[in-house]
Amino acid sequence: DAKTTQPPSMDCAEGRAANLPCNHSTISGNEYVYWYRQIHSQGPQYIIHGLKNNETNEMASLIITEDRKSSTLILPHATLRDTAVYYCIVRVNSGAGSYQLTFGKGTKLSVIP
Amino acid sequence: DSGVTQTPKHLITATGQRVTLRCSPRSGDLSVYWYQQSLDQGLQFLIQYYNGEERAKGNILERFSAQQFPDLHSELNLSSLELGDSALYFCASSVTGLAGGLTDTQYFGPGTRLTVL
Repeated sequence: DAKTTQPPSMDCAEGRAANLPCNHSTISGNEYVYWYRQIHSQGPQYIIHGLKNNETNEMASLIITEDRKSSTLILPHATLRDTAVYYCIVRVNSGAGSYQLTFGKGTKLSVIP
Repeated sequence: DSGVTQTPKHLITATGQRVTLRCSPRSGDLSVYWYQQSLDQGLQFLIQYYNGEERAKGNILERFSAQQFPDLHSELNLSSLELGDSALYFCASSVTGLAGGLTDTQYFGPGTRLTVL
C-alpha cells in the first residue's frame, strides 16, 4: 500500500505557483520522498526527491516539514504543459538491499488559462 | 526523453496468445523494472532485474516472466493472455536499484500499450 495521502485533484491558474501537498506520517528515518508526474498516458516523469532538507531543481522545489510527516511540491510558474497527475511516493526499502516505489492515485493537477 | 526505450509502442493481440515486450535501459543503468498500469489498478510494480539477476518481485502473475540479457536490455513475456491483461506496460531503469548509499532514481520509458481482444 502507498504510504502517502494526496488530494485527488487541484486547479491552478496559469503563471501562478502550484503547491501540491502530500502527507506521509508513517515515513521512516531513512526513507526518501520522491515526486513523479504522468502526463496523459506517457511514462511517469521524475521531478525531484528529498530526505530531510528542502530541495530545488530546474523543474520544482520540494519542501519537507521538519518532522518529515508531510511535504509540498512547488511548481513556481505553472504552465498548461504542467497539467498532469502528480505522484508523491515514499521510497520503501525492501529485502536484499533493494527498494520499491509504490504509486498511489496521485493528484490530478489542472492548469487553467 | 528519459533515455529508456520500449518496443513496440502498441500491440494488439487475441486472448490465449503470447507476446514479448522489450526495454532498453539508459546508458550506464544496471537495474530494470517493469510496471503495469491498468485503468482500475493504477501503476503496479511487477519485477526488477539488476545486472541480469532477478532482484525483486511485485504483483507479477505466473503467466508473466521477464529476463535481463548481458547487454542489459530486458524482455517481459506475457502468455495465455486474458482480456484483463490489457494495459500500459512501462519499463524503468536506474543506476543500481539499491537502497543504501547514494540515492537511486528510476527513469521511465514511454510504455507499450497492450490490447487483448
